[in-house]
Amino acid sequence: QSALTQPASVSGSPGQSITISCTGTSSDVGSYNLVSWYQQHPGKAPKLMIYEVSKRPSGVSNRFSGSKSGNTASLTISGLQAEDEADYYCCSYAGSSTSHVVFGGGTKLTVL
Amino acid sequence: EVQLVESGGVVVQPGGSLRLSCAASGFTFDDYAMHWVRQAPGKGLEWVSLISWDGGSTYYADSVKGRFTISRDNSKNSLYLQMNSLRAEDTALYYCAKDMYGSGSTSIDYWGQGTLVTVSS
Repeated sequence: QSALTQPASVSGSPGQSITISCTGTSSDVGSYNLVSWYQQHPGKAPKLMIYEVSKRPSGVSNRFSGSKSGNTASLTISGLQAEDEADYYCCSYAGSSTSHVVFGGGTKLTVL
Repeated sequence: EVQLVESGGVVVQPGGSLRLSCAASGFTFDDYAMHWVRQAPGKGLEWVSLISWDGGSTYYADSVKGRFTISRDNSKNSLYLQMNSLRAEDTALYYCAKDMYGSGSTSIDYWGQGTLVTVSS
């Protein structure tokens, strides 16, 4: 069982917006602004999409945004495009005395 | 261009040992923390280990603590993972990954293509 809980799948039509949730605890997501999100296409390495809750790396589309409320972080993708279809993983710092870094179980995004 | 190239993945018997290597280029290696992250076939990402820029701090997932050792040689721009007492559940694609910071965080901005470790008799 993953330390962070994500929905197994979400779907949306081109042009729509979707949100993927990532629920942790007060020991990880709730305590630190160190949540990141990764996109992974089949057979490819993960790609950083959001870091430190809401920051976008250079080159990542502004259609991707991140936020956090309490123990739950969220990734929102607006103006869905076919190429957004992929697996998405959240990741959080969990403290130096514990697992340190934890990933969510992943969410499969299907663009209808 | 940042490049991370893993090597060392093979088929190994349960209880065996293996050393993975990662050759880094395209950035100042000794400025950044480095991670190992693995992905079992058809499964999600699992963080394995982190080492700070100078090797002074290391961290491990509970699932590998006491069996795996992360290390780095900044003179060779290389990252390593010594894996002992291997189990079937260690079977996975192992990614070498670069952190955005020197002390380590959850902001992993570059990933290699992975090296496959299979633990089987």
